Amino acid sequence: DADVTQTPRNRITKTGKRIMLECSQTKGHDRMYWYRQDPGLGLQLIYYSFDVKDINKGEISDGYSVSRQAQAKFSLSLESAIPNQTALYFCATSDPNQETQYFGPGTRLLVL
Amino acid sequence: KQEVTQIPAALSVPEGENLVLNCSFTDSAIYNLQWFRQDPGKGLTSLLLIQSSQREQTSGRLNASLDKSSGRSTLYIAASQPGDSATYLCAVSNTGNQFYFGTGTSLTVIP
Repeated sequence: DADVTQTPRNRITKTGKRIMLECSQTKGHDRMYWYRQDPGLGLQLIYYSFDVKDINKGEISDGYSVSRQAQAKFSLSLESAIPNQTALYFCATSDPNQETQYFGPGTRLLVL
Repeated sequence: KQEVTQIPAALSVPEGENLVLNCSFTDSAIYNLQWFRQDPGKGLTSLLLIQSSQREQTSGRLNASLDKSSGRSTLYIAASQPGDSATYLCAVSNTGNQFYFGTGTSLTVIP
């Protein structure tokens, strides 16, 4: 089984809809991250969490919110989706010593 | 803010050739640097991690070097194979626990 899973893998939604992307990990890491990837722009950090009670904004948090339901679960929400949020979204985990990051397979989101 | 640049954006080489991918960063006060591989439609897989105190790391046919003072890292791939075709991403971590990614180099190895 994969260490980091993301659901759904693909999602099409309409402008103004609220959607949630979910991430689960079995690595036992405290640190979890949400990134988006756009062609030509690389990965940009949206939010990160160092434990269940610690949530931090990344570079591009506007229009997004997160919830850390448990050590293993970190969800990303788009409260009112807009077309420029169309992107590939990745969840990742890492250990406390900032060693290797482990990525999920990604969620491809299309906002019409 | 840390800026990470990767050159070239795309590279095509014949099978068997040795090649070098480049990564540069603007702030030399890094904690570590990591090279990833991304296959189309898939997540990122970590290849090599170099701590700020290290100069290089090796794994099989891959060798990554780090020169903090000049803000550069290189990923050397020996005897390239078609299976090496992918996008290679460089990421830098600062002491603030955020990772900054380059835009990647898309590598095609021609059989």
